[in-house]
Amino acid sequence: EAQVTQNPRYLITVTGKKLTVTCSQNMNHEYMSWYRQDPGLGLRQIYYSMNVEVTDKGDVPEGYKVSRKEKRNFPLILESPSPNQTSLYFCASSSGGISTDTQYFGPGTRLTVL
Amino acid sequence: AQSVTQLDSHVSVSEGTPVLLRCNYSSSYSPSLFWYVQHPNKGLQLLLKYTSAATLVKGINGFEAEFKKSETSFHLTKPSAHMSDAAEYFCVVSAYNFNKFYFGSGTKLNVKP
Repeated sequence: EAQVTQNPRYLITVTGKKLTVTCSQNMNHEYMSWYRQDPGLGLRQIYYSMNVEVTDKGDVPEGYKVSRKEKRNFPLILESPSPNQTSLYFCASSSGGISTDTQYFGPGTRLTVL
Repeated sequence: AQSVTQLDSHVSVSEGTPVLLRCNYSSSYSPSLFWYVQHPNKGLQLLLKYTSAATLVKGINGFEAEFKKSETSFHLTKPSAHMSDAAEYFCVVSAYNFNKFYFGSGTKLNVKP
């Protein structure tokens, strides 16, 4: 089954404790992206990747890191999480990455930073 | 620059009546426009997209949207609401050759029996 998977689905952590949220897709998509969803703000793009070793900032990249060492994986790293990073995070992928492509979204990761 | 404004944060309709969810966009370039739906505790699913072909776009589950350049709008409609349509809907804009996507703040659709 074609899908985007994220792990963990739920995470509660404390300020300053480094964490990684994994994202994997099995559709051989070139483009992958991370979003955060906050009430009343919709989804905001954190980082995106056009292909292996090619990443760029979205609208809200501060406090986040990403890497794309393999085509299928695009982990999101919070080196020193803070409470304002408490949010619902979505990973997405699409085949080409141009503006006309459909994005396929993962199920989401709900992160709470205390 | 690209941005999206969804004009209603909540819309409530009765089952069997028409649905209208409003979206205005701003884009310095020829836009691509999307509507995604998010059911409670689920990920997002594409309903339909406009990519500079026909201005009236048909999507899944009976939804459609019309691109109106003069009004910078991309409103989502459905002739007859079903209970299963209750969800949150997001209008999204991107621009050709750009790799960023901009989401509206969402419209929650409530369908009453």
